[in-house]
Amino acid sequence: QVQLQESGPGLVKPSETLSLTCAVSGYSISSGSYWGWIRQPPGKGLEWIGSFYHGGSTYFNPSLKSRVTISVDASKNQFSLKLNSVTAADTAVYYCARRLVGLVRGATSYYMDVWGKGTTVSVSS
Amino acid sequence: QSVLTQPPSASGTPGQRVTISCSGSNSDIGRNTVNWYQQLPGTAPKLLIYSNNERPSGVPDRFSGSKSGTSASLAISGLQSEDEADYYCAAWDDSLNGPVFGGGTKLTVL
Repeated sequence: QVQLQESGPGLVKPSETLSLTCAVSGYSISSGSYWGWIRQPPGKGLEWIGSFYHGGSTYFNPSLKSRVTISVDASKNQFSLKLNSVTAADTAVYYCARRLVGLVRGATSYYMDVWGKGTTVSVSS
Repeated sequence: QSVLTQPPSASGTPGQRVTISCSGSNSDIGRNTVNWYQQLPGTAPKLLIYSNNERPSGVPDRFSGSKSGTSASLAISGLQSEDEADYYCAAWDDSLNGPVFGGGTKLTVL
């Protein structure tokens, strides 16, 4: 059973860097699949931050690309998110998720099948 | 502002059939499959429907999805109190190389 668990500081000061880690169990990041981060501001919808394929490419939401870094530690089976120069607008619940790519009835399908429970990050002085 | 458009709210009584719509464009829903996520209060989103109308193991067949052109719909039949949740549609955006989401629909079971 694949499980993901986010961790990191719950409070970050404006202009500083938000750093989160996603620990994966039950599946090796190196075995394949895409992995990524999604966030949800209070009372709002979901926003994709970025995704990567171990040993392959990393993709970012253009709206955040200049501030985001995603890195992988395959030896610990975990990956991390760094978002710099944060403001109050970055206050959100941050989720990590596994993204699958499959051929279903002749159509390529992309979907996030396993999510972490999420971690709340507040940006405030 | 979300890329995909959903009604902010929907409601129904137990046993009823409810549908939630999701509207997109040629660059997302028009070219790719649609997924639906259910988010119960205080929890993480859960995959409910993938590839327009496929249900992951464990999802009741009361939930079904459909897609036509640049729009999609989620149908819930035999509505139950435990279905009260936020529902999000999502589709792949080729230019983004990532998913775009709807703003979510809050379903209330009266």
